Amino acid sequence: DIQMTQSPSTLSASVGDRVTITCRASQSVSSWLAWYQQKPGKAPKLLIYKASSLESGVPSRFSGSGSGTEFTLTISSLQPDDFATYYCQQYSSYSNTFGQGTKLEIK
Amino acid sequence: QVQLVQSGAEVKKPGASVKVSCKASGYTFTSFAIHWVRQAPGQRLEWLGWINAGNGNTKYSQKFQGRLTVTRDTSASTAYMELSSLRSEDTAVYHCARGIWAATGIGYTFDIWGQGTMVTVSS
Repeated sequence: DIQMTQSPSTLSASVGDRVTITCRASQSVSSWLAWYQQKPGKAPKLLIYKASSLESGVPSRFSGSGSGTEFTLTISSLQPDDFATYYCQQYSSYSNTFGQGTKLEIK
Repeated sequence: QVQLVQSGAEVKKPGASVKVSCKASGYTFTSFAIHWVRQAPGQRLEWLGWINAGNGNTKYSQKFQGRLTVTRDTSASTAYMELSSLRSEDTAVYHCARGIWAATGIGYTFDIWGQGTMVTVSS
């Protein structure tokens, strides 16, 4: 299986900050990379698919980039609702795998 | 609205089986795949398998081959996940999710998720 590694594992930031989360794949996944947001006790929410396409209804402050083995999720100006855990997912084959998550905390 | 609603929490003994249901509403059930993803406490999301709700074809993660069975009842717009030979490591929240197919030979993203079902395996 393709291994996904996110960094950092925890990120402390303030409202209004610009933050970037990185996801690396153990082999190329082309652009078949998605990002999810998860809040405690809730199901994940799809934010980005195909590395850079914004899911309908997701605020434009979220953006994704990258291809091959290295990807980033950027939040341009953090809002209070954005403090959550973020996961990347590769879907280059039928065996989907997720990163270990990045917890975004309030500084 | 489009939603997936799962059955309630379960407590099982090691060696037993558990069956979790996932009822879809607000869309044509047979037009999408249903996937199952679990999350053990403090762990990453882990994909288990999926079913084509239209034709009933299934595919499972190699890790769960032989222990996992995913089925569906189209008349009830409901998918089911049954995991057998439970062990303590299977304690987790189990989610169903609607799969959005990307392309031939490529996997799925998950746009609608169930609320999750806590399965606890304990003697």
